[in-house]
Amino acid sequence: AQKVTQAQTEISVVEKEDVTLDCVYETRDTTYYLFWYKQPPSGELVFLIRRNSFDEQNEISGRYSWNFQKSTSSFNFTITASQVVDSAVYLCALSEGGGSEKLVFGKGTKLTVNP
Amino acid sequence: DTGVSQNPRHKITKRGQNVTFRCDPISEHNRLYWYRQTLGQGPEFLTYFQNEAQLEKSRLLSDRFSAERPKGSFSTLEIQRTEQGDSAMYLCASSLAGLGEGYTFGSGTRLTVV
Repeated sequence: AQKVTQAQTEISVVEKEDVTLDCVYETRDTTYYLFWYKQPPSGELVFLIRRNSFDEQNEISGRYSWNFQKSTSSFNFTITASQVVDSAVYLCALSEGGGSEKLVFGKGTKLTVNP
Repeated sequence: DTGVSQNPRHKITKRGQNVTFRCDPISEHNRLYWYRQTLGQGPEFLTYFQNEAQLEKSRLLSDRFSAERPKGSFSTLEIQRTEQGDSAMYLCASSLAGLGEGYTFGSGTRLTVV
């Protein structure tokens, strides 16, 4: 069975600090996709990134970066120079490579960035 | 196309009443998913459609829940005889099979059963 673990329930930082959100996953599939979503208090899920299991290159997008390591089944997310607007719940998710492609989510990490 | 649309945004209902939610996906997306999210948890898969066919239902989807996508476009999720445990955010998402492009979520319908 597929499983996603986000061990950090809540993180609080001061603006401009760097912060890393951890995501560990379990799957028996060889082809799968990993996602990060941002969920602000309004509730909608904002897509941040999708990564397939064959692409282990790290990715950087502005202040956001992702570190995918198959050897440790982790897909961690770092926000550099955090801002108050980054405050939200961040959800990591896993999808099988075929079939329904439904997402299995972690419980999320609530990030609070204080001014 | 402005994305996935869900209505209503909020619904408060008395226990025992029936409720129905609607989801309008991105028009070219052939897959439509329903998820439920309770407080402090990530979204959990309920069911999905490819075109008008309902291909998978989670065991979370009790017999009080029914979903339809009659013409392969919009979908409805109905909950009969609501219980307080049904209080949650109900999220809809649509995609193209094969995850070629986007897996886009709507803003959700927040249900409160009193």
